[in-house]
Amino acid sequence: EIVLTQSPATLSLSPGERATLSCRASQSVSSYLAWYQQKPGQAPRLLIYDASNRATGIPARFSGSGSGTDFTLTISSLEPEDFAVYYCQQRSNWQYTFGQGTKLEIK
Amino acid sequence: EVQLVESGGGLVQPGRSLRLSCAASGFTFDDYAMHWVRQAPGKGLEWVSGISWNSGSIGYADSVKGRFTISRDNAKNSLYLQMNSLRAEDTALYYCAKDIRVGYSSGWYFDLWGRGTLVTVSS
Repeated sequence: EIVLTQSPATLSLSPGERATLSCRASQSVSSYLAWYQQKPGQAPRLLIYDASNRATGIPARFSGSGSGTDFTLTISSLEPEDFAVYYCQQRSNWQYTFGQGTKLEIK
Repeated sequence: EVQLVESGGGLVQPGRSLRLSCAASGFTFDDYAMHWVRQAPGKGLEWVSGISWNSGSIGYADSVKGRFTISRDNAKNSLYLQMNSLRAEDTALYYCAKDIRVGYSSGWYFDLWGRGTLVTVSS
């Protein structure tokens, strides 16, 4: 099983700042990685897929990069609504795993 | 409206069974693979099972293999999860999720989610 490790566990920033979230895979996943945002009491929302493609309706301040084992989600300038938990997810043939999540909180 | 609506959750005793349903609307259901993803209270996300658009390919997490069965009825735009031999560790909010890509035999990512149905396994 491919294990995804996200860091940091918690990130404390202020609105307007830049956020950088990391996801590391235990073995190469090529570019088959997605990022999700989850707010309390809500279902997750797909932000980025194939490492760097924004999903439909996702603002341009969200961007993804990386390949192989190291991936990054960047939020260029934090808006109040961006404070949430973020998960990365990899896909291989009918085996999908999520990272443990990074909580982005208001400083 | 494009949406997924789960039902069938509830309180069940260990060792018993439960069947979850997911009703899809607003998109061409039989074009997409579908999945179940669960989230234990206060915990992260865990993929449970997925099924290709034509039911020709199916996958399960090791934690549920042999106990859970996924199926779909494209004529009814519905996805199902039959859960047998339930354990306390199966307690979670179960989400139905749509795959992002059309017509593949395996899944990719999850671009539409329902609100979930809560399954509690306890005596």
